[in-house]
Amino acid sequence: GQQVMQIPQYQHVQEGEDFTTYCNSSTTLSNIQWYKQRPGGHPVFLIQLVKSGEVKKQKRLTFQFGEAKKNSSLHITATQTTDVGTYFCAGNYGQNFVFGPGTRLSVLP
Amino acid sequence: EAGVAQSPRYKIIEKRQSVAFWCNPISGHATLYWYQQILGQGPKLLIQFQNNGVVDDSQLPKDRFSAERLKGVDSTLKIQPAKLEDSAVYLCASSLVRLQSYNEQFFGPGTRLTVL
Repeated sequence: GQQVMQIPQYQHVQEGEDFTTYCNSSTTLSNIQWYKQRPGGHPVFLIQLVKSGEVKKQKRLTFQFGEAKKNSSLHITATQTTDVGTYFCAGNYGQNFVFGPGTRLSVLP
Repeated sequence: EAGVAQSPRYKIIEKRQSVAFWCNPISGHATLYWYQQILGQGPKLLIQFQNNGVVDDSQLPKDRFSAERLKGVDSTLKIQPAKLEDSAVYLCASSLVRLQSYNEQFFGPGTRLTVL
């Protein structure tokens, strides 16, 4: 079946360090979305990637979609305490969305 | 613009009891999703509506869970009877369109269900 994996499960960084989370799908995706969920909050949409090899940037965040449309990554440059939360990728297989298990980011001041 | 509304925010019930959750999506959003999020896990799609029709309910435990979206606007999700493993946050989300179009999902605050 369709499965989305994310690594790492947890990441602890010092403020100012970079952070990357990786998302992998067992099969080809139509597109992929990224969400951020703060502790006690609900998922908030960050971005959607559609094209093979697509790269998008939002300030300190860089999102990539793999050439085969089976993997994606989110990179945060110079983390801040406001980046704390869990980052989920959600793979779209055309009929439904499958969320990954998320990467929980802790930022130490 | 008002966000996705959900009620109640919290619910505590005993196993074998029934419970219902309500969701009012953003005005004009045709697609509505119900997700189950168990602590420490990603949201799991239970059911997806396009207007008042079901698009995907492949992961909905139909022996105990049911959902409806009458008139293509608000929606209710029911569990009857509840089990201990149903303890989770139930998230409702809506989007303008579905499938391969740009379909950002807007999530509501969720209902935290505890089954004792």
